[in-house]
Amino acid sequence: TQLLEQSPQFLSIQEGENLTVYCNSSSVFSSLQWYRQEPGEGPVLLVTVVTGGEVKKLKRLTFQFGDARKDSSLHITAAQPGDTGLYLCAGPPEYGNKLVFGAGTILRVKS
Amino acid sequence: EAQVTQNPRYLITVTGKKLTVTCSQNMNHEYMSWYRQDPGLGLRQIYYSMNVEVTDKGDVPEGYKVSRKEKRNFPLILESPSPNQTSLYFCASSLGASGRNEQFFGPGTRLTVL
Repeated sequence: TQLLEQSPQFLSIQEGENLTVYCNSSSVFSSLQWYRQEPGEGPVLLVTVVTGGEVKKLKRLTFQFGDARKDSSLHITAAQPGDTGLYLCAGPPEYGNKLVFGAGTILRVKS
Repeated sequence: EAQVTQNPRYLITVTGKKLTVTCSQNMNHEYMSWYRQDPGLGLRQIYYSMNVEVTDKGDVPEGYKVSRKEKRNFPLILESPSPNQTSLYFCASSLGASGRNEQFFGPGTRLTVL
C-alpha cells in the first residue's frame, strides 16, 4: 500500500483542456513536493508546499496543499503537449524525515 | 552546470555477474540516495548517505551495497544481480536529509538482468 496515493494513474487529453491530478494520504505530511519526469530523464522539482491550505502558482500550473496536510492537488489550465510527462508527489510524513513518493500520474497531452 | 551524473545509462547483464553503477554530483551536497523506479510503485529508496562514510538502508536494500568514500561519489553495487533487480535506477542528491529539501536526480540507469 502506497503512503501517498495518486490519481488518476493515467490521463490522456487534448491540447487546451484543463486537468487536475490528486495526491492523497491518510497520514499528515509536513510538506509536499511535486516533481515532473520526462522520458529518459530524472524527476525535476516543480514546487514545494508547506502550509496547510497553501496555494502556489507556476504559470499554468496551480498547486494546493490540503488544510489538514493530508492531500494535495495539481491543476493545469489549457494543457499543452509540453506538459506531457510523469507527475510525482512526494513528502516527508509528519513524524519522520524521509521522503516518500507516490506512484505517479502519467499525463499525455495530444495536439 | 550543477548536475548529478550516472553511468552507465543502459546496462544488460546476466544473473550473478557483479556490477557497479556510478553516481557523482558537483553541488557539494551532503545527502545522496539511490532509488529504483518500477511501474505502479513509484520511486523506492534503496540506500542513502548523510555524509562521507555514513550510509544507511532505505526501504528496499536487499541485494544492494553502497559506499561513500568521497562527498561527490555514491556508487551502487550489485554483488550478484538477479532478474528481480531489473529496474530503472536513479541517484539523487540534496543539501540535507530533510524531506523538504529539493532532490536533484541523475538521468537514470536502465538495468536489465537476464
